[in-house]
Amino acid sequence: GQNIDQPTEMTATEGAIVQINCTYQTSGFNGLFWYQQHAGEAPTFLSYNVLDGLEEKGRFSSFLSRSKGYSYLLLKELQMKDSASYLCAVVNYGGSQGNLIFGKGTKLSVKP
Amino acid sequence: SQTIHQWPATLVQPVGSPLSLECTVEGTSNPNLYWYRQAAGRGLQLLFYSVGIGQISSEVPQNLSASRPQDRQFILSSKKLLLSDSGFYLCACRDRRSSYEQYFGPGTRLTVT
Repeated sequence: GQNIDQPTEMTATEGAIVQINCTYQTSGFNGLFWYQQHAGEAPTFLSYNVLDGLEEKGRFSSFLSRSKGYSYLLLKELQMKDSASYLCAVVNYGGSQGNLIFGKGTKLSVKP
Repeated sequence: SQTIHQWPATLVQPVGSPLSLECTVEGTSNPNLYWYRQAAGRGLQLLFYSVGIGQISSEVPQNLSASRPQDRQFILSSKKLLLSDSGFYLCACRDRRSSYEQYFGPGTRLTVT
């Protein structure tokens, strides 16, 4: 079956660093996305990893280990506006289908 | 880049009433289109996807249906709504020539009473 696991909720302090983990078991793999979703809004793209290693983009970094079925999203210098849900999604098949399988999301609360 | 329009933004409907949600896309041609539902406390559930006009694949058997009458128009419908149909409905688009990334519309908040 297809399974993507993330912690349900996390809390962190403004200015700190937080790591959100995602583990997956899927029948296929063509990359992993992280999306940010503020309450009541649509998800927006943060990162895409298809090869092992760390991708850094400003305050956000994303890591992938395909052999371990594991990824994490690292948020540095947390700001209040980073309070949101973070969705991990795996590209199950390639080609024209290329559908995403989403985890249930991790709700991050940033406190002053 | 793609722009996705969805309407209405919010909707309150009684049980047993029909439903029609519309999604239109700008800035791309022949995209993959998707309908997702997000219920409270649950993840994004893929309902339907389409790789072209008139081509619809259903991921979850239910009382909903989808149609794609034009290249950049995707419609989600129901003949009789159930309480369990309440949720946040998101339309998404993917330009399969460039990447696997999906762009999401602003969503429709549906409450069935």
